[in-house]
Parts: sequence; structure tokens; C-alpha cells
Amino acid sequence: DQQVKQNSPSLSVQEGRISILNCDYTNSMFDYFLWYKKYPAEGPTFLISISSIKDKNEDGRFTVFLNKSAKHLSLHIVPSQPGDSAVYFCAASVTYSGAGSYQLTFGKGTKLSVIP
Amino acid sequence: NAGVTQTPKFRILKIGQSMTLQCTQDMNHNYMYWYRQDPGMGLKLIYYSVGAGITDKGEVPNGYNVSRSTTEDFPLRLELAAPSQTSVYFCASSYSRGHNEQFFGPGTRLTVL
Repeated sequence: DQQVKQNSPSLSVQEGRISILNCDYTNSMFDYFLWYKKYPAEGPTFLISISSIKDKNEDGRFTVFLNKSAKHLSLHIVPSQPGDSAVYFCAASVTYSGAGSYQLTFGKGTKLSVIP
Repeated sequence: NAGVTQTPKFRILKIGQSMTLQCTQDMNHNYMYWYRQDPGMGLKLIYYSVGAGITDKGEVPNGYNVSRSTTEDFPLRLELAAPSQTSVYFCASSYSRGHNEQFFGPGTRLTVL
């Protein structure tokens, strides 16, 4: 059973417009969320994260929003650039003291294409 | 710094063969991880290590073994390869157990025929 869901396999956006990538989760114990970006033939690279004590975190063109009651987070990219074309993975983790602490659970990814 | 390096980049195995996927990091990170990514799927944790000599199972450990004799190296061993192990394997490292970003290697694409 998927605990982290990215229901849109792909998204196309015009250059300069906003890209919104969505992620839903089912495990209410998740308290830390991350977005990773992956180019073909490369490993994922960390993009931005958010703790469950916040509802927004911003880093330059990238903003992540968290709605805990809806178990939903989204990544906004403004303005979108052709170099943003990649697969974006949402990941979540649980803070606790037992084995497996901080293990990341990944979604399937959303392929973003930014059209010039 | 090279970051996280993995060898080989590609490998084709026959059913029943064995191989070791190599992973090295030069960031002096304590935590290291092995993930696999099947087509159209997210990354799934195979094994992780919290330091030299200490390893533990992740979500999908069956068919794999790991060891961690040094801080830098975290090899993944496949015994008796099966077609179900066809996947892209990523090694990652992080500084500590906290919510630190994980740094990923470029991956090894493995096909078992």
C-alpha cells in the first residue's frame, strides 16, 4: 500500500508560468517531507524540505506547502524554467527513536516538462 | 569532492549469478543507504548503515547483503540474481540520523536475464 502518492505521472508547463506538483500521504505519523529532483541517468538531488510544524517553506523559486489536515503537500516553482524539466519525487519520514528512524518513503514521481 | 560514486554504471547478469555493487562517499558521512528504483516506481530502501560495522534492513532486503567495514564504503551484494532484481540501484549518504538531506550517487542499472 502506497503511503506517499503522486497521482500525476506527468505535467507540462510553459516557461515563465507556475508549476504545481502535488503529493498526498496516508501515514499520519509522517512529520518531515522532502522534494527531490532527478535528471535522466543521474541520482536524485535534494531540493527543499518542510517539517510538520510549518505549513510553508520557501527557497528562491521553490515553495513547498503542507496541509496536515488534508495530508497533502505541494511544490510550487515560479517562474518555471526549461532547466526545471526533470522527475520530481516527494518523500516523507517519521521522527521516532526506534530502528528505521528517518527512513524516507518515496512517491512514484512526477515528470515535469517546461516548454520554452 | 566526488560525493557519492557508484560502480559499475551498467551490468547484465544471468539468472543465478552473483555480483557486488560498489558505493563510496568522500563526505565523511555516517549514514549510508541502498535503494532500488523499478520502472515507474519510487525508490525503495534495501539496507542502510549508521556507521562502520552497523547495518540494518530496509523495506526490501530479500536477496541482498551488505557490509560496512569503513566509513567510506558500503557495497551491496546480490546472491543468486533473479529477474525480479532488474532495477536501478542508488546509493546515498547523509551526515547524521536527523532530517538531513541524503546525497545520491548516479546509480547502477542492472538487468538480470
